[in-house]
Amino acid sequence: DAGVTQSPTHLIKTRGQQVTLRCSPKSGHDTVSWYQQALGQGPQFIFQYYEEEERQRGNFPDRFSGHQFPNYSSELNVNALLLGDSALYLCASSLGSGFGPSTDTQYFGPGTRLTVL
Amino acid sequence: QKEVEQDPGPLSVPEGAIVSLNCTYSNSAFQYFMWYRQYSRKGPELLMYTYSSGNKEDGRFTAQVDKSSKYISLFIRDSQPSDSATYLCAMSANAGGTSYGKLTFGQGTILTVHP
Repeated sequence: DAGVTQSPTHLIKTRGQQVTLRCSPKSGHDTVSWYQQALGQGPQFIFQYYEEEERQRGNFPDRFSGHQFPNYSSELNVNALLLGDSALYLCASSLGSGFGPSTDTQYFGPGTRLTVL
Repeated sequence: QKEVEQDPGPLSVPEGAIVSLNCTYSNSAFQYFMWYRQYSRKGPELLMYTYSSGNKEDGRFTAQVDKSSKYISLFIRDSQPSDSATYLCAMSANAGGTSYGKLTFGQGTILTVHP
């Protein structure tokens, strides 16, 4: 049973560029959440996608956008990259319907490490 | 003030010690509590979850929640060098709350268990 997968593993970009990160959820999951983890910090919630729509969003600017495809995979796009966007970007999957542990239990992928020069 | 506070450590203990990791929180809407373990350069791995006050045990790990004090703990018994990692507490205000699905994390505590 494949877990959450993310690509690419590492990425180096320069300021002002745009980047796209990809995520495939754990088998059977339909919801994808994205988090940003700066060095030495806990993950910060960016947004969550369910049924191909953004269901919830954290305190991130509009430069951060996403998409979910019919097969539940997801992309995170960041435009006009800043030095401060350098971080580990984590994707987590879960079940989107119902309440309690089935929806709050999120399983994380290995992350994409983005470096902005 | 952060919604979730966690002592970043670092914490260094000898093999076999009992480890106590703690988080406090300010948002009384949090109802669901998790502990994740994160090895260097890897994604967080879910260790335990609970949504009620009291204790929950799983092998060498015990999660404790005190909602009246807004305080959660993770205890590791008979710690092993393989337990060396960063431990993250996480919380959610699900079950009808507006923060549906969003996890709020602590900063993480770096733990080293030396032989």
